[in-house]
Amino acid sequence: DAKTTQPPSMDCAEGRAANLPCNHSTISGNEYVYWYRQIHSQGPQYIIHGLKNNETNEMASLIITEDRKSSTLILPHATLRDTAVYYCIVRAPLRGSGNTGKLIFGQGTTLQVKP
Amino acid sequence: EPEVTQTPSHQVTQMGQEVILRCVPISNHLYFYWYRQILGQKVEFLVSFYNNEISEKSEIFDDQFSVERPDGSNFTLKIRSTKLEDSAMYFCASNVGARGNQPQHFGDGTRLSIL
Repeated sequence: DAKTTQPPSMDCAEGRAANLPCNHSTISGNEYVYWYRQIHSQGPQYIIHGLKNNETNEMASLIITEDRKSSTLILPHATLRDTAVYYCIVRAPLRGSGNTGKLIFGQGTTLQVKP
Repeated sequence: EPEVTQTPSHQVTQMGQEVILRCVPISNHLYFYWYRQILGQKVEFLVSFYNNEISEKSEIFDDQFSVERPDGSNFTLKIRSTKLEDSAMYFCASNVGARGNQPQHFGDGTRLSIL
C-alpha cells in the first residue's frame, strides 16, 4: 500500500497557483518525497523530489514541513496543460540489490485546471 | 533530454499467444522496471532488474512473465501465454542509481489489448 494520502480531486483556475497537499506521516528518516504526474494514460512524468529542504525547479516547488510528515506541491501558474493526476510517493534511496527503488503509486490527486 | 522509449505503442494479441514488449532505457541507467496500469486503476509495480537479474517482483509477476536485457540497450517484458486480464498499459522505467535518490523516468507505455 502507498505510504501517502492525497485528496482525490482538486480544481484550480487557470493562471492561479495550484497547491497539492500530501500526508506521509510514517515517512522514514532516509525516505525522499517524489512527485509525479500522469496526463491521460501517458507514462508518469517526474516533477520534483526532496528530502527535507524546500525545492524548486522549472516545473514546480516542493514545500516539506519541518517534521516531514506532509508536503505541498506548488504549480505557480497553472495552465490547462497541467490538468493531470498528481502522485506523491515516498521512497528510500537505491542501494545496490538492497532497496530496489520501486515506486508504489496510490490513487493520486486529479487536478482539473479550469479556464 | 534522454528519454525511455517503448515499442510498440499498441499491441493487439489473441489470448494464449506470447507477446514481447520492448523498452530502451536511458543509456547510463542501471536500474530497470516494469509497471502496469489496468484501465481506470492505479499504476502497479511488476518487477525491478539490476545487475542482470531480477531484484524484486510483485505477486502479479508470476511464471507467465519474464524479463530480459538481451544486449546493452534493450529491456524486454515477455508474457508467455496471455490472458484477457493482461490487457493494460505497460510502462517501462529506469533509474540511474548513482547517489541513490535520483528520480525514475518512465516511457509512454505500450497499450496491450488481449482479444
